[in-house]
This record gives sequence, C-alpha cells and structure tokens, in this order.
Amino acid sequence: DAGITQSPRHKVTETGTPVTLRCHQTENHRYMYWYRQDPGHGLRLIHYSYGVKDTDKGEVSDGYSVSRSKTEDFLLTLESATSSQTSVYFCAISLAGGSSTDTQYFGPGTRLTVL
Amino acid sequence: KQEVTQIPAALSVPEGENLVLNCSFTDSAIYNLQWFRQDPGKGLTSLLLIQSSQREQTSGRLNASLDKSSGRSTLYIAASQPGDSATYLCAVRWSAPLVFGKGTRLSVIA
Repeated sequence: DAGITQSPRHKVTETGTPVTLRCHQTENHRYMYWYRQDPGHGLRLIHYSYGVKDTDKGEVSDGYSVSRSKTEDFLLTLESATSSQTSVYFCAISLAGGSSTDTQYFGPGTRLTVL
Repeated sequence: KQEVTQIPAALSVPEGENLVLNCSFTDSAIYNLQWFRQDPGKGLTSLLLIQSSQREQTSGRLNASLDKSSGRSTLYIAASQPGDSATYLCAVRWSAPLVFGKGTRLSVIA
C-alpha cells in the first residue's frame, strides 16, 4: 500500500467552526488531491496540488481552501463548516499528472460530521 | 463536460456467475482509465489501470477492456464469489485529477 495517512480519521464539529484535515504521504509524489464522497454523487474533486505551493480548484471547491508548504503534507481547511460539508474526505497522490502509466493512490478517508 | 457513467447502479448475482460491469465516458482523449474497488466504510483499492494505448488488462479473475472510440470500458469478473461483493468505481484521467463514475454496487449471493 502507498504510504498515505489522513488525520483525523473521524471528526464531529459544529456549524461555523473551522476545520483542518491533514494528508501526509511518504512516497515523495508530486501531485496530491482532495476528493469528497457523498451518496448519489460519487467522488468529486475539491482541490489538488501539483507541487509545493502550487494548487488548483476542482469541481466543488467553494467553502474550502488548501495549502501545501511541504511535499509530504496537503492540508484541507473548511473556514466555517456547514452541514452540507458533512462527507467522507479522501486524499490521493500520484507521481505525475499527464502520464498514461500514472496510478492514483488513495488514503483511508476522513469521516466529517457537521452538526 | 467530461463525464463518466456507470450502469447498472446495483447488481445482484448468484455465486459462480461471470459478470460484466459497464463504464462509459464522454471524451475519448484520455490518458488512462482505472477501476477501483471500495468495501463499505473503507477506502479505494486500485484493481486495474488501462493506458490509453491498451485494449485490455488482466489480474487474476478480473479483466478490464477499453474502447476509446466508443467511450466504453468493461470490467469482467469471472466465477464470482461472495468476497467480490463491494462497490466498483470507474475513473477516467483526462488531466491530473481523476473523474469518477458513481459506481456499481455488486452483491454476490452464496
């Protein structure tokens, strides 16, 4: 298994509070991604990073920000959590971005509940 | 818009049957296509990756095919077992991030 950890694995918070999720990799992969998974919607991209301090928005980026100050860590922040952000969040990594041989590997997920 | 569709959403079969899961996508200019397995409450496990230049990939009882011109991929599972019960996700790479279908939930009944 690829060396990807996510913390926390479970979190319950209240509406309006800030929340930060952490993804840590030991593979030295350049690309890192944050997806959310919701019933009826599948996995959708929130943000991704193609290098330290280089990030781009995904399909569902509103209400989320990200930061990547080191190759191994990619942080996802909900500035003011809302109930619609209750979801399972997955981090993923890949070595390259536009290669036909490149595989994406996923972390174990973080289950976030916003009350 | 680049989209991935999986049909059916759910499938129930008796143990021992051979089965096919379908995936279709809207733009043939792909880098690759990946099939994943997800058990309830768990993360994603990569099963097979098919490069854009390939027609199929095999791993054990699994065989995935790719037809870019028609925008279709199939995942064939031979001699299904109860342990194959899971959600199977198809994901296409047009650029760095993957675009996922909503998955097919498979139940194999003993």
